Amino acid sequence: DAGVTQSPTHLIKTRGQQVTLRCSPISGHKSVSWYQQVLGQGPQFIFQYYEKEERGRGNFPDRFSARQFPNYSSELNVNALLLGDSALYLCASSSRDPAKDTQYFGPGTRLTVL
Amino acid sequence: GQQLNQSPQSMFIQEGEDVSMNCTSSSIFNTWLWYKQEPGEGPVLLIALYKAGELTSNGRLTAQFGITRKDSFLNISASIPSDVGIYFCAGQLRSGGSNYKLTFGKGTLLTVNP
Repeated sequence: DAGVTQSPTHLIKTRGQQVTLRCSPISGHKSVSWYQQVLGQGPQFIFQYYEKEERGRGNFPDRFSARQFPNYSSELNVNALLLGDSALYLCASSSRDPAKDTQYFGPGTRLTVL
Repeated sequence: GQQLNQSPQSMFIQEGEDVSMNCTSSSIFNTWLWYKQEPGEGPVLLIALYKAGELTSNGRLTAQFGITRKDSFLNISASIPSDVGIYFCAGQLRSGGSNYKLTFGKGTLLTVNP
């Protein structure tokens, strides 16, 4: 079975632009979480969705938004990009309620803001 | 955002040596996870711990969930060159509420000299 897939792999944007990142969970998984990993740091939690409902939100500004579709795939949107948004954006999926199951990560999308 | 205290930050060892790294938190978790991340990849789950005091092995890897629920360690025995990578601990608080995010440490960079 395929693992978590993310697209695009790499992305270069300029300050002020908007970006949409995509994630497809492992087949059968219903929960998706998004994390931001700045170089040299561990991943930081952004959002979590389960059964298309937002389950949690990390300490990120309103410029960050996400949604989950009926097929359980997800999009992360970031508006008004800042240089500090440059990071690896990771998506993780789990099969059931994330309270009961482990999260498995995709390869990430490397976003560079110039 | 919050990050766990993970040490050491980096290790440079000879092939065949044993490795130990640990993670501490100021708050309680009821799940501890250890991930490994290689360049250009997302974190890969190594070991998951669900009970205080639990000791779990996965091949040459052994991890323990501290009795206080505020710490965990990971040991790697007889290291080999392919053990090279960044190792992250992550804590999770699973409760009746929502937001089952993972809180990560800053990572331990392991280099193995053949």
